Amino acid sequence: NAGVTQTPKFRILKIGQSMTLQCTQDMNHNYMYWYRQDPGMGLKLIYYSVGAGITDKGEVPNGYNVSRSTTEDFPLRLELAAPSQTSVYFCASSELTSSYNEQFFGPGTRLTVL
Amino acid sequence: QKEVEQNSGPLSVPEGAIASLNCTYSDRGSQSFFWYRQYSGKSPELIMSIYSNGDKEDGRFTAQLNKASQYVSLLIRDSQPSDSATYLCAVNTGFQKLVFGTGTRLLVSP
Repeated sequence: NAGVTQTPKFRILKIGQSMTLQCTQDMNHNYMYWYRQDPGMGLKLIYYSVGAGITDKGEVPNGYNVSRSTTEDFPLRLELAAPSQTSVYFCASSELTSSYNEQFFGPGTRLTVL
Repeated sequence: QKEVEQNSGPLSVPEGAIASLNCTYSDRGSQSFFWYRQYSGKSPELIMSIYSNGDKEDGRFTAQLNKASQYVSLLIRDSQPSDSATYLCAVNTGFQKLVFGTGTRLLVSP
């Protein structure tokens, strides 16, 4: 199993450009998440999905969009990139059992907006 | 606002010592608790999970949970330089979402 994979690893965008961060998991997990992590800070939830076709906002959704057409894929779309979106983006997945929620993370995408 | 608080550190310990990392949380309804290790420039890696009051041991790691005091801790015995990393506490506050602390940076000196 590759686990959670993310592409690209690094990207530099100009202000106003758009891009899609890709996330794929091969563990057949129902739950998937997008986080951003700013330097010296914890992880902030952007969007999450509890299954194909179902998504919901997290703590910091403004400026982002997501879709979930398959169990495996959960892309994150940035429209009109702004310097405030410079961050490291992590995708995670989990399989909920009872009240547990052990999340497994991808390697991250380091995004710089100039 | 559901919060998870950690001392940012750095916590400096000599090799072979016990490192003690602490975390408090605000939501009394929290059900499960996790410790992630994050090396610089890498993604978080799950190292411990705990769901019931008391201690849970796994190798050199022990997680401790006290729901009455809303307190979670991680003990690392026989600390090694390779344990130097940032340790993130995460709390499942329901609705399949985790709230993360800002992390404690641990430095283990040879």
